[in-house]
Amino acid sequence: AQSVTQLDSQVPVFEEAPVELRCNYSSSVSVYLFWYVQYPNQGLQLLLKYLSGSTLVKGINGFEAEFNKSQTSFHLRKPSVHISDTAEYFCAVTQAGTALIFGKGTTLSVSS
Amino acid sequence: GAGVSQSPSNKVTEKGKDVELRCDPISGHTALYWYRQSLGQGLEFLIYFQGNSAPDKSGLPSDRFSAERTGGSVSTLTIQRTQQEDSAVYLCASSFQSGRTGNEQFFGPGTRLTVL
Repeated sequence: AQSVTQLDSQVPVFEEAPVELRCNYSSSVSVYLFWYVQYPNQGLQLLLKYLSGSTLVKGINGFEAEFNKSQTSFHLRKPSVHISDTAEYFCAVTQAGTALIFGKGTTLSVSS
Repeated sequence: GAGVSQSPSNKVTEKGKDVELRCDPISGHTALYWYRQSLGQGLEFLIYFQGNSAPDKSGLPSDRFSAERTGGSVSTLTIQRTQQEDSAVYLCASSFQSGRTGNEQFFGPGTRLTVL
């Protein structure tokens, strides 16, 4: 069975600081990995995805994530955050033809 | 183009009543998913439809929950005899099944269900 662990439930940072949101997964087969963002009172929006190939994937709004197979991790990073990045971030895993398994989410709070 | 739409956006009902939630997926998407988002439980998978195959109902929490997908498009999630613990945001997603896209799922805005 697959599972996703987001290691931090809340991450407070100051504006323009770098941030890393951690995600570990477990699966016995090859998977696809995703990060979704949910802004306050809005739906889920895809930030980026890893399917295959280069382990460093770039997404929208300056975010990137690195797939590390040996550590079964898919951490999300941004070198300089903005107030507008305040949101909840979800890491998710799926195999072909199955539903997404989500982590519990990480609330990123950016303050000035 | 049009995204995934859900209706109603908000639903308030009394305990014991039945409710129906509707999802219109993106045209051409063969797969449709229902999830539930609630405090303390995060995002939970409920049910998954793929083409004409039998749906994967493994995430439905009880037999009070059921879903249909008519004509391979619109889906309705029905909750019978609602309970207060059913209060949550119900999210629908659709995808075009393809190894190239990794089943990227596009989400609707959700229906917020409140059971009094």
